[in-house]
Amino acid sequence: DAGVTQSPTHLIKTRGQQVTLRCSPISGHKSVSWYQQVLGQGPQFIFQYYEKEERGRGNFPDRFSARQFPNYSSELNVNALLLGDSALYLCASSFLAGGINEQFFGPGTRLTVL
Amino acid sequence: GESVGLHLPTLSVQEGDNSIINCAYSNSASDYFIWYKQESGKGPQFIIDIRSNMDKRQGQRVTVLLNKTVKHLSLQIAATQPGDSAVYFCAETIQGAQKLVFGQGTRLTINP
Repeated sequence: DAGVTQSPTHLIKTRGQQVTLRCSPISGHKSVSWYQQVLGQGPQFIFQYYEKEERGRGNFPDRFSARQFPNYSSELNVNALLLGDSALYLCASSFLAGGINEQFFGPGTRLTVL
Repeated sequence: GESVGLHLPTLSVQEGDNSIINCAYSNSASDYFIWYKQESGKGPQFIIDIRSNMDKRQGQRVTVLLNKTVKHLSLQIAATQPGDSAVYFCAETIQGAQKLVFGQGTRLTINP
């Protein structure tokens, strides 16, 4: 059974550009969460979506947005990129919205902003 | 804001020895804790969890200890192997909440 998949694996953008990252949860999982992991730090929560609705949002600016599709896959969008947005973006899926103990992480998308 | 900290950023141990990784958490309302292992180029991998109504939980070669009095969490790895080399994160949350709060991480290096 496939785990959480994310695309692309790596991405290079320049300041001011926009980026879209994609995540496919484990089959049967209805909740997707996004985390940002800056080099040398632990992941920081950005969003959680469950059944296509936003269920939680971390302390990130409005430049960050996300959505979840009927097949439970998700996209994370970041507008007006800043150098500080360079990070590993992790997607995690779980069956339930509060199913933290069932949360499985994908390999992440490495975003570099120049 | 909330934060989960770690006492040591790096830990180096001999293969076969036991490893202990420590973590201090700050939110007294947190009632669920998880240890994750993150290898290079991969996402965090669940190792073991513990709820606040417990003070110890054992898995295969790993044990998590929780001391709510001093808000301290530790991960013990028995008979450390080369494959245990990774960055280890503790994370805290409140049951039913939408987010995990991660610490900075401890890099565990195994010496042959």
